[in-house]
Amino acid sequence: EAGVTQFPSHSVIEKGQTVTLRCDPISGHDNLYWYRRVMGKEIKFLLHFVKESKQDESGMPNNRFLAERTGGTYSTLKVQPAELEDSGVYFCASRPGHETGELFFGEGSRLTVL
Amino acid sequence: RKEVEQDPGPFNVPEGATVAFNCTYSNSASQSFFWYRQDCRKEPKLLMSVYSSGNEDGRFTAQLNRASQYISLLIRDSKLSDSATYLCVVNMAGTYKYIFGTGTRLKVLA
Repeated sequence: EAGVTQFPSHSVIEKGQTVTLRCDPISGHDNLYWYRRVMGKEIKFLLHFVKESKQDESGMPNNRFLAERTGGTYSTLKVQPAELEDSGVYFCASRPGHETGELFFGEGSRLTVL
Repeated sequence: RKEVEQDPGPFNVPEGATVAFNCTYSNSASQSFFWYRQDCRKEPKLLMSVYSSGNEDGRFTAQLNRASQYISLLIRDSKLSDSATYLCVVNMAGTYKYIFGTGTRLKVLA
């Protein structure tokens, strides 16, 4: 069974450009999370989907970030326009069901904004 | 104060040594606790969940102290392959949000 997959693995863009990151969770996992790790800092929560609904987006930094989860399957995270401080590794994670339990992470998308 | 705090290390230990990490959390209503392992430039992977009564998995032992609001991870007989960053993760009560500590770096030396 495929794990959580993320695309692209690395993106280099200039300040002001737009980038869209994609996450395909493990099939059947209703819960999908986005996290970000900025260099030297902890992995920070961005938001949580249950199926197609945003359950908690309290970690989204500002309105330049837009996350969607079409039909409750894959998710996209768009940054528009990108700023230098958006550089970091964006992790997607998924888990099944309603109880708390293991998060399964993708390998991350490394974003570099120049 | 951070919600989840860890000593970033690095902890440099010789092979075969026993090493322990602590992690403190600020929300007394936190309900689920985990240790994740992250290798350099890789994704975090679950090492073990932490149960109220404490639990052991081979060379790894996890403990929870609710009164003092900390969890611990003990690694016995360290192997070179244990070198990694160990992340403390807490699930906040009433939410499905998982909060990560900064991680503790472990280097096991030959």
